[in-house]
Amino acid sequence: KNQVEQSPQSLIILEGKNCTLQCNYTVSPFSNLRWYKQDTGRGPVSLTIMTFSENTKSNGRYTATLDADTKQSSLHITASQLSDSASYICVVSAEVNNDMRFGAGTRLTVKP
Amino acid sequence: DVKVTQSSRYLVKRTGEKVFLECVQDMDHENMFWYRQDPGLGLRLIYFSYDVKMKEKGDIPEGYSVSREKKERFSLILESASTNQTSMYLCASSSTGARGGTQYFGPGTRLTVL
Repeated sequence: KNQVEQSPQSLIILEGKNCTLQCNYTVSPFSNLRWYKQDTGRGPVSLTIMTFSENTKSNGRYTATLDADTKQSSLHITASQLSDSASYICVVSAEVNNDMRFGAGTRLTVKP
Repeated sequence: DVKVTQSSRYLVKRTGEKVFLECVQDMDHENMFWYRQDPGLGLRLIYFSYDVKMKEKGDIPEGYSVSREKKERFSLILESASTNQTSMYLCASSSTGARGGTQYFGPGTRLTVL
C-alpha cells in the first residue's frame, strides 16, 4: 500500500469553478509535504512546501492545507483556469533519511 | 532559473539493447535523482546521487545502473532493455543535503522498449 494516497484520481471542472484535491499519508516521522504540478509532457514543478508547524500556505490561486494530526493535506484551487489542467502530485518526506514518498497524482481537467 | 535537461524526449529501443539516458543540471546542485513514472503508481525512485562518483539505490534499482562522473551530469543505464522498462523517466536535482530539498525536474524521457 502506497504511503501517500491521493483523491480523486481524476477530476473535471468548468473554468472559473473552485476545486479541492486531497492527500492522505502514513509517512512517519513527518518532515514536510509538497504539492507539485505536472503539465502534460513536462516534469513536475513545486507549488508549495509545508512543514509540521504550518497548516496553510498559499501560492496565488493555490492554497494548501495540512493537518498533521490526521495526516491529511488538501490543495484548493480558486477560480480555475484552462492552464490549471495538469496532474497534481503530493510528496511527503520523512525525517529519517528525508525519504520522499510520491502520491500517484490527481489528473485535473478544466473545461471552457 | 534552474534548468534540468534530458537528452531525449522520446526513445524507442529493442529488447536487449543497452540504453543510456542523460541528465544535465546547470545549478551546481549536489543531489541528482532518477525516477520512473507509470500510470497509477506515481514516481518511483531508481537511483540517486549526493556527490560525484557517489550513488545510492532507490526503491527499484533492478535492471538499472547509473554514472555520475561530473557534478552536473547523471546518467541512467539500462544494460539490457526489457519491455517492462517501457515508462516515463524523470531526472531531478536539488541543492540541500539528503533527499528532502525541493527537487527540480527535467521534462522527462518517454522510453518504449519493443
